[in-house]
Amino acid sequence: GAGVSQSPSNKVTEKGKDVELRCDPISGHTALYWYRQSLGQGLEFLIYFQGNSAPDKSGLPSDRFSAERTGGSVSTLTIQRTQQEDSAVYLCASSLVGTYNEQFFGPGTRLTVL
Amino acid sequence: AQRVTQPEKLLSVFKGAPVELKCNYSYSGSPELFWYVQYSRQRLQLLLRHISRESIKGFTADLNKGETSFHLKKPFAQEEDSAMYYCALKKNTGFQKLVFGTGTRLLVSP
Repeated sequence: GAGVSQSPSNKVTEKGKDVELRCDPISGHTALYWYRQSLGQGLEFLIYFQGNSAPDKSGLPSDRFSAERTGGSVSTLTIQRTQQEDSAVYLCASSLVGTYNEQFFGPGTRLTVL
Repeated sequence: AQRVTQPEKLLSVFKGAPVELKCNYSYSGSPELFWYVQYSRQRLQLLLRHISRESIKGFTADLNKGETSFHLKKPFAQEEDSAMYYCALKKNTGFQKLVFGTGTRLLVSP
């Protein structure tokens, strides 16, 4: 079946603009994660959704970052008033719930803030 | 807090040579450890996890709780192994986020 999909694949924006990144998880996966992959920084956890529980937002770097997940499926990561340091690849992953369940990653959205 | 350390940014070997990608972690509980791989222009994917105790594409990794390490090994590297490798840790309770190391780029030359 289809894997995790993300859109857009690339986004170039100007400093100060808002951007929205979208993630479509694998059907039936109730857990959804956002990570950020920066050059030299590795992968950094941003936010985690699981079912109807309150999301774990502990990784969001500032209040300019927010995310929502509508209907337990599609998720949108919003970055307001983008800064150059926000430039990175934003990865979404989904999984079944459970300690040993594999997270499946999307192809990522490459964000460039000029 | 959990932390994963991969001390090498780049590991360059010749085809047929043994490979060991180092990973150390810090976590007070009992973690679950993973190795993820990202080949050029492909998405990040799971290579192996410690609980499975399996060999994937000739790679193995043993969890050493005494040394808090989870090094990835392969006796004979192949050119197609060239990729970015990330070690990751997940708590075995609570929220399921992965804590990643900074990654090691493996380059296997002919």
